[in-house]
Amino acid sequence: LAKTTQPISMDSYEGQEVNITCSHNNIATNDYITWYQQFPSQGPRFIIQGYKTKVTNEVASLFIPADRKSSTLSLPRVSLSDTAVYYCLVVDDYKLSFGAGTTVTVRA
Amino acid sequence: NAGVTQTPKFQVLKTGQSMTLQCAQDMNHNSMYWYRQDPGMGLRLIYYSASEGTTDKGEVPNGYNVSRLNKREFSLRLESAAPSQTSVYFCASSEKNSNQPQHFGDGTRLSIL
Repeated sequence: LAKTTQPISMDSYEGQEVNITCSHNNIATNDYITWYQQFPSQGPRFIIQGYKTKVTNEVASLFIPADRKSSTLSLPRVSLSDTAVYYCLVVDDYKLSFGAGTTVTVRA
Repeated sequence: NAGVTQTPKFQVLKTGQSMTLQCAQDMNHNSMYWYRQDPGMGLRLIYYSASEGTTDKGEVPNGYNVSRLNKREFSLRLESAAPSQTSVYFCASSEKNSNQPQHFGDGTRLSIL
């Protein structure tokens, strides 16, 4: 089971870019890297997924270096509503472990 | 556009009581999952069902049973509830397998006294 390590918390201000790095040193060949966002009293919500290089969608970018031992979620120009817990998940054949996540607090 | 629906949203039980948490998805997904989330912690996988008719243990299966009733429904049963099972329970589904994004319900908040 590929475990992940993320910072426990990060603070930012509105309009800034937030980058959260996740370490997954023992990632396997078939593993995908997936990020979720969770607000209080809600279930997690899928943000982005990637296997290698860079992936971008309407809400975030995901950067994955060639060795795939880490990944960085980038949230451009955050707002107060981006305050949430962000989970990095490495998935291989249903061996899922969310970890404690990174609490991102955006201040005005 | 319901997605994943969990019932009930809240429940209080006494130690030793039994309870079934219901989950249904309307997205025609093959895989379904049950997680628990304790305060300040991430989600831990209890059981999953890769397809209709199959179920497998996750990280923390002890004290729970599951039934994949059909493609839409995946229930979680506590046969004899214990205070250690006080938690928020989330059901999720994904289209084919665990490599694909999971869609989560809003959770069931369960307290066991």
